[in-house]
Amino acid sequence: GENVEQHPSTLSVQEGDSAVIKCTYSDSASNYFPWYKQELGKRPQLIIDIRSNVGEKKDQRIAVTLNKTAKHFSLHITETQPEDSAVYFCAASKPGGTSYGKLTFGQGTILTVHP
Amino acid sequence: DGGITQSPKYLFRKEGQNVTLSCEQNLNHDAMYWYRQDPGQGLRLIYYSQIVNDFQKGDIAEGYSVSREKKESFPLTVTSAQKNPTAFYLCASSIAPYNEQFFGPGTRLTVL
Repeated sequence: GENVEQHPSTLSVQEGDSAVIKCTYSDSASNYFPWYKQELGKRPQLIIDIRSNVGEKKDQRIAVTLNKTAKHFSLHITETQPEDSAVYFCAASKPGGTSYGKLTFGQGTILTVHP
Repeated sequence: DGGITQSPKYLFRKEGQNVTLSCEQNLNHDAMYWYRQDPGQGLRLIYYSQIVNDFQKGDIAEGYSVSREKKESFPLTVTSAQKNPTAFYLCASSIAPYNEQFFGPGTRLTVL
């Protein structure tokens, strides 16, 4: 089955700096890659996603890049703010069969933004 | 934050007891999912359902059971066969498989 590895497990930055979180996946058939943000004690919420027909997607200060050849994708947060502090999860999914819609998550990255 | 609800928020269970966690959604979503979250780990899929009256085992289904008799409801039973059930349980739904999943607020289960 699919395996998703996420690095780093913790990331500490100063306010205003950029943060980058990377994920690798094992199944070349995967073609949907969402990123979720989970604040302490709250539910995960989708912040951005990308499908394999594009290499990059941007939404204000957040961007995701995808390299299908290398089977990795990354989350980029620019101009970080203290409210960006949370746990971030990447995930991968592939179409077809009984696994249709099944998300495999990475282990998570604890991002801390220091004022 | 409305649309998908879970109850109760906290649940305590004695060893050897079965317990059922509720998940309800009014988003008219076809697909529903159950995840388990342990400290320092990602979300692991327990069961998922793409449509009413159908469900599939996820990666860690042993010791759990589900039903999907109604589109809006996907209850999860944690049985006594689950050896380490203390965890945070999250339910999610999506309009269809392979789309954004919306999560409920979670149930924290503690086995005493």
